[in-house]
Amino acid sequence: KQEVTQIPAALSVPEGENLVLNCSFTDSAIYNLQWFRQDPGKGLTSLLLIQSSQREQTSGRLNASLDKSSGRSTLYIAASQPGDSATYLCAVSADNYGQNFVFGPGTRLSVLP
Amino acid sequence: DGGITQSPKYLFRKEGQNVTLSCEQNLNHDAMYWYRQDPGQGLRLIYYSQIVNDFQKGDIAEGYSVSREKKESFPLTVTSAQKNPTAFYLCASSTTLTGGYTFGSGTRLTVV
Repeated sequence: KQEVTQIPAALSVPEGENLVLNCSFTDSAIYNLQWFRQDPGKGLTSLLLIQSSQREQTSGRLNASLDKSSGRSTLYIAASQPGDSATYLCAVSADNYGQNFVFGPGTRLSVLP
Repeated sequence: DGGITQSPKYLFRKEGQNVTLSCEQNLNHDAMYWYRQDPGQGLRLIYYSQIVNDFQKGDIAEGYSVSREKKESFPLTVTSAQKNPTAFYLCASSTTLTGGYTFGSGTRLTVV
């Protein structure tokens, strides 16, 4: 059974720092991996979607990498801002049918002004 | 803009009542899902539907019911059989083109 873990559980950094969030999964036979952001009391916002054939995806200050063989993904946030404060979740799917999405517990990020 | 709309944002239920949460999408996605999120816990799948008029139970379906009469709509009913319904409910949809998820903004249900 696929299991997804995220380290650290919480992170507090000063504004302007570059930071890395980690996501690990136990079964490397994935179809895709998706990173989400969740603000308190809100839904999940998709940040980046990486297909299994891809190594990384970039959007603005965000860069996500995928290493299937080692069961790891990292989300790199450059020049962090207080507005980046949120919980970041990763999820993996074994196929493109969606019901097999497995979510990690999330990393709670606080960026201090 | 395409997206998923959940309503209401906040919902209060009395003991013994059934309540229905609305979820509508205009993304033309085939699949739709309902998740429950409790404080300190991850997302748990309640029900999902891959096509109209078909749906499957997820990990915690007891006390819930759904319907999928239209591609755009996937309402969730929280029945009186659900003993601990207070939670944050999230609706999502996905396309088989990429398998990626899109989420709604959520409904917070509280039992009073």
